[in-house]
Amino acid sequence: NAGVTQTPKFQVLKTGQSMTLQCAQDMNHEYMSWYRQDPGMGLRLIHYSVGAGITDQGEVPNGYNVSRSTTEDFPLRLLSAAPSQTSVYFCASSYGGQTEAFFGQGTRLTVV
Amino acid sequence: AQTVTQSQPEMSVQEAETVTLSCTYDTSESDYYLFWYKQPPSRQMILVIRQEAYKQQNATENRFSVNFQKAAKSFSLKISDSQLGDAAMYFCAYDYNNNDMRFGAGTRLTVKP
Repeated sequence: NAGVTQTPKFQVLKTGQSMTLQCAQDMNHEYMSWYRQDPGMGLRLIHYSVGAGITDQGEVPNGYNVSRSTTEDFPLRLLSAAPSQTSVYFCASSYGGQTEAFFGQGTRLTVV
Repeated sequence: AQTVTQSQPEMSVQEAETVTLSCTYDTSESDYYLFWYKQPPSRQMILVIRQEAYKQQNATENRFSVNFQKAAKSFSLKISDSQLGDAAMYFCAYDYNNNDMRFGAGTRLTVKP
């Protein structure tokens, strides 16, 4: 029962580098999302997808790209990392809107 | 824009006692969902309880219950018979537009033995 799997768990990047955070779910959920968690601010939505081939922006999308080619996978790409993107990133999936969201264990990203 | 406010950054409770965590939200919608999530030190986000706005009855899950006051836009979480394992960050969340969930800043709960 893997649920939502995020890789890597930790990452250090230099300013300007690019990378992809991976997210995979095995529950056949249509909805998938990416959040960032910063101290004192809770979780904020970056991008989300309501199904394969469909993505949309959340509250804080700048500097991030997503795509959804399969139901299972929803990678998050940082195009040119900045120190302001230092955060903990969570991927989540759900069966449908307004149902329970299942979260991955998070990726702690540090940009130096 | 919908916002969620948790006015208590930290709370403390004695083991076996009851504690209430506060949450207020701002919305012009009438049909939406509210959630409480728990985040222990492991960082895993765990759903505690869920409330549908059109239901007047307050949701309950074992030792966890909510006081949902729709007119006041208030959604507090009551934890009864607190246990050491309840120590965690608790996040209140609002979901109107299916996947656009808004979270509060969180309340850190400490349980004293």
